[in-house]
Amino acid sequence: DSGVTQTPKHLITATGQRVTLRCSPRSGDLSVYWYQQSLDQGLQFLIQYYNGEERAKGNILERFSAQQFPDLHSELNLSSLELGDSALYFCASSPQVAGFNEQFFGPGTRLTVL
Amino acid sequence: GENVEQHPSTLSVQEGDSAVIKCTYSDSASNYFPWYKQELGKRPQLIIDIRSNVGEKKDQRIAVTLNKTAKHFSLHITETQPEDSAVYFCAAYRPGGTSYGKLTFGQGTILTVHP
Repeated sequence: DSGVTQTPKHLITATGQRVTLRCSPRSGDLSVYWYQQSLDQGLQFLIQYYNGEERAKGNILERFSAQQFPDLHSELNLSSLELGDSALYFCASSPQVAGFNEQFFGPGTRLTVL
Repeated sequence: GENVEQHPSTLSVQEGDSAVIKCTYSDSASNYFPWYKQELGKRPQLIIDIRSNVGEKKDQRIAVTLNKTAKHFSLHITETQPEDSAVYFCAAYRPGGTSYGKLTFGQGTILTVHP
């Protein structure tokens, strides 16, 4: 157990819908990262938040957005869902000390868009 | 931005053989190189990492080497066992300051160890 929690574990929804994925980082970690892993694909970095502020952006679609709250949990919002959005979404956290940042991954949320 | 290339995409070995996975990176500012193992349907887990001021690191049957000049690093697994079967990801971390930095992953290698 990495200490990072994600809810829900599974999510099944229809095209055009909107969903919210939730992540709680390890105690004390200030940074949260979101990744998308499609079938047979690697880990695609979406976005990073540090202490409530967006810090780095990867290949995140405009239909997707995220935020990190004062208690440091984070939510990833996916809207106007398409079939191709079906994937495993991972959240990771790190302490973000200067120069070293091991990332600890949560168990993931499996999103299925029908 | 950083680009990490990982090879091979699949690797099949017999139990007891060695396995080697290679990665190259593009950004010379990257200074931290972790390797993650992901079993089917589970989260990626760090198995070993190396920093740019070190050329080699070993942990039991797993070792990682780094060549900063050539910008490539490799994972070596000796005496492979069936439970080593998984997807392995290399990554390169480019620092951007105290509060941000980016970890770029390779495409992954599916390792299968046959009993």
